Formats: sequence, structure tokens, C-alpha cells
Amino acid sequence: DQQVKQNSPSLSVQEGRISILNCDYTNSMFDYFLWYKKYPAEGPTFLISISSIKDKNEDGRFTVFLNKSAKHLSLHIVPSQPGDSAVYFCAASGGSNYKLTFGKGTLLTVNP
Amino acid sequence: DAMVIQNPRYQVTQFGKPVTLSCSQTLNHNVMYWYQQKSSQAPKLLFHYYDKDFNNEADTPDNFQSRRPNTSFCFLDIRSPGLGDAAMYLCATSTLIMSAGQGNYGYTFGSGTRLTVV
Repeated sequence: DQQVKQNSPSLSVQEGRISILNCDYTNSMFDYFLWYKKYPAEGPTFLISISSIKDKNEDGRFTVFLNKSAKHLSLHIVPSQPGDSAVYFCAASGGSNYKLTFGKGTLLTVNP
Repeated sequence: DAMVIQNPRYQVTQFGKPVTLSCSQTLNHNVMYWYQQKSSQAPKLLFHYYDKDFNNEADTPDNFQSRRPNTSFCFLDIRSPGLGDAAMYLCATSTLIMSAGQGNYGYTFGSGTRLTVV
């Protein structure tokens, strides 16, 4: 049973446009959410996170939005750059549980 | 730079021949994890160590075992690799306490070991 779902396996956008990556979760105990970026042959690297007490967190070109009632979060990248091309994983943890549950990832391709 | 290092990056092993993957960290984190990631799938947690306490996930096959001889090192042993065990194996470390500054338990991943079973 997948508790964190990324329903779009891939997304392609033009350089300079907005990229929107979506993530849904089913476990109501999740209260902390993270996005990781992964290049081929490398481990995931932390990108941005959000606590359930917030509905938005921004860091430069990256913004994460959380809609708790819909159990949905999204990552916005504006403007998108070719170097952003990677697999993006959504992950979640709950309460004091430090273990992460990951989604399957979305492959973002930013075309020059 | 403080980091998580996995060796080797690529490992080829024969069907049924025991293999060991290694992970080391310079972050002094309490927790070390092993994840298995197959193509187009989510990383799947196999087990983790909180200091010396070993925590197995319920659905981790007995074929997978782990050792953590000290804070810095953690090993993944696959006793009898099958074709289905071919995957990327990711080691990660974290703290136990969320700090406001870090915002992510300090989760740090290694570059992974790509295991091929022939």
C-alpha cells in the first residue's frame, strides 16, 4: 500500500517556464514533507521541506505548497533551468518517527 | 566535507554468492539506514540502526542482514543474492531530532551502490 504517491512518472517543460510536481499522501500521521532531487548514478539530495503547520515554504526558485485537507503537496520551480532535469522524490515522515516514506519519483526534463 | 560514502559504486556478483556493501559517514549521525531502490520505484527501507540498536522492516527478506561495528560504518550483507536483488542500494544517515535550522533531520544520502546479479 503506497502511502506517498507521485502519479506522474515524467514531466517535460521549457526552460524559463514553471515546473509543477505533485505528490499525494494517505497517512494522516504524516506531518513533515520533503522533496529530494536525484541525478543518475548519485544519491538523492535534499531540496526543500515543509512542516504541516505551514502551507507554503519558499527557497529561491523552489516553493512547496501543502494542502492538508486534500493530503496533497506540490513543488513549484520557477523559472525552470536545464540543470533542474532530474528525478524528484517526495518523502514524508510522521510525528516523532524519523523514518521517511518515499514516492516513486517524477522525472523532470527541462528543455533548452 | 562531512559526507556519506558508499563502496563500491558498482558491484557485480554471481547468483547465490554472498556480497557485502559498505557505507561510512563523517557526520556522526545516530541513525544509519539502508534503502533498496529498483528502477522506477520508490526507495524502500530495508532496516536502520539507531546507534547500535538494529531495526528491521517487517517485509525485509531474511536474505538481507546488516552490521554496524561503530558509529561511522554500516554494512549490508546479502547472503544469497538472487536476480530479483539487482537494484541500487542507498545508505543514508540522520539525526533523531528535527532542528529548526536543518529542517530535515539532517538526512544525507550516499551515492549508492548499483548491484548486478549474474
